[in-house]
Amino acid sequence: RKEVEQDPGPFNVPEGATVAFNCTYSNSASQSFFWYRQDCRKEPKLLMSVYSSGNEDGRFTAQLNRASQYISLLIRDSKLSDSATYLCVVNRNNNDMRFGAGTRLTVKP
Amino acid sequence: DADVTQTPRNRITKTGKRIMLECSQTKGHDRMYWYRQDPGLGLRLIYYSFDVKDINKGEISDGYSVSRQAQAKFSLSLESAIPNQTALYFCATAEATGANVLTFGAGSRLTVL
Repeated sequence: RKEVEQDPGPFNVPEGATVAFNCTYSNSASQSFFWYRQDCRKEPKLLMSVYSSGNEDGRFTAQLNRASQYISLLIRDSKLSDSATYLCVVNRNNNDMRFGAGTRLTVKP
Repeated sequence: DADVTQTPRNRITKTGKRIMLECSQTKGHDRMYWYRQDPGLGLRLIYYSFDVKDINKGEISDGYSVSRQAQAKFSLSLESAIPNQTALYFCATAEATGANVLTFGAGSRLTVL
């Protein structure tokens, strides 16, 4: 079983839709959590950190449930430019960052 | 210029050849990492370094070695390349303190025939 699991998708949604991605992690000692975005054939880039209290950045909302070892990302009012692969990233207690395989999103006109 | 530069960007080589991938950074970060990305597997950590001469194994270090001779440079070597090392390789950096946010290079695509 992978340490960080994500639904690979693909998620195909129309513009303006709300879409949610989930991620589970197995190492209960994990300390910090992130969502990265990766465009096709490009490097991953930080989308947002994930805090225990939940956090929002514009149309993006991230949630963390430590008890269930579960992270989520909600995208509201999807744009064509949101099409990408979204990577869930978990920082273990020794600063060893573990990545999920990613969830692919395509937003269609 | 990019903050994290990888060379070469693309390389095709044959089984048994020695390959070196280079990474240099202008961010002044202490921490540097090498990952490989394979379809369906996500990024997996090969080696990481928290300072010059500091080397730590990641998830999948077998078949690879690294060198950190200067703060700004972290090189990855494949002593004898094999076809299952065909992958997209990313170098990344992070500050020693704070949120441990990774900054990635553009990637090096390696094909081993």
